This record gives sequence, structure tokens and C-alpha cells, in this order.
Amino acid sequence: EAGVTQSPRYAVLQEGQAVSFWCDPISGHDTLYWYQQPRDQGPQLLVYFRDEAVIDNSQLPSDRFSAVRPKGTNSTLKIQSAKQGDTATYLCASSRTGYNQAPLFGEGTRLSVL
Amino acid sequence: GEQVEQLPSILRVQEGSSASINCTYENSASNYFPWYKQEPGENPKLIIDIRSNMERKQTQGLIVLLDKKAKRFSLHITDTQPGDSAMYFCAARSTNAYKVIFGKGTHLHVLP
Repeated sequence: EAGVTQSPRYAVLQEGQAVSFWCDPISGHDTLYWYQQPRDQGPQLLVYFRDEAVIDNSQLPSDRFSAVRPKGTNSTLKIQSAKQGDTATYLCASSRTGYNQAPLFGEGTRLSVL
Repeated sequence: GEQVEQLPSILRVQEGSSASINCTYENSASNYFPWYKQEPGENPKLIIDIRSNMERKQTQGLIVLLDKKAKRFSLHITDTQPGDSAMYFCAARSTNAYKVIFGKGTHLHVLP
């Protein structure tokens, strides 16, 4: 089966610019996660969805970040007015709802904010 | 709390020896514990997992142990090879949501 697909792979911005990341999960996976992974650190959960519903977005850094999954399939994570501290890899992962279903990751988007 | 603590952050072992990584979790509702390996420039890849109804699981040179009373789980890599050098992450998932929380990672160096 096809894996999780993310785009773009890389993004370079000036502070204050906006950027959107796109994720296409594995077919049939109803749970979708967005993680932020700073260099040499573990993935930090930002938000996750079950189908189109946001289950938990309490870790989104501020109202500069938003995420949607309108039809319960693809998802978009957006950063308004990026800051240097947003520099990180943004990972999307998906899984089936279930007891022993591990999130499987896409290749990520590597963001640099200058 | 929902933190997952992972130690050590850096681990150096000689080729052919074993490597052990330890994690603890706070949420007693956690019931599923996957482990991931991440090589430079790549995404984290699932390598082994364990459910809360198990105490031990082994596959291809990897052993995972779970101690629910202590809220502790560990990964043991036997007969390490240079290709095992990478970042390793533990994670925990709870029953009352599908939130998956990761540890901060262990950078394993297998020395020839």
C-alpha cells in the first residue's frame, strides 16, 4: 500500500511569511497526526484528528498554527507569520483506530525560517 | 501527566555487544508502546511494538520488555551492528484517546 505522502519536502521562509504543509494519509487510516520535530529532538505532537474531527489541538504553539482535515482524508497544516523558532521538520503520520495501531510517518517537510 | 522519559540520550557500544534504552511513562491508561528508528534525513520507522497485555516481545535481534507496575518499558538490541547506529524513539499511546507521545530519543552509536 502507498505510504503517507507529504508536500513540499522543503520550505525556506523569511520571518513573517506564511506556509502550508499538505498530507495524504494511508488509505483507510482514520487517525491523522501532525508532529513537529526540531533538530535532534523527538517528535512533538501538535494536533491529531479522527476522521474530520480535531481530537486534540492543545499543543498547537499558538494561533499562528492551524490544521484542518475537512473530508477526513487529506490534511493541511498552516503557519501564519512564521518565526525562526518554527524551524523544524513537520511530520504527518496516520493510523487505523485500534488497540495496537502505530502511527506510520510520511517523509516530512523540512522548514527553515530565516 | 503524559510525558514519556527516555534514557540515555546518547549511547555508545562496541559492535557485537548489546544496547539498552529505557523509557518511563506517566499515564496509567497507556496500553501500547511502539519503538521507532530514525536515520539521518529520514522519517521515523516503526521497528517493534508491545501491547499492555504482554511483558516481552522479540523479533530479529530486538527485545522489548514492559513492566506495567513500574510504568517502564525498554528496548534491547542484541549483537549490534554499524547499521544499528541511528536515533531511537520510544512512544506511548493511551486507551482514552489515540494520542501518541514520544520520548526525546536516544542517539545510538555502534563503534567498530
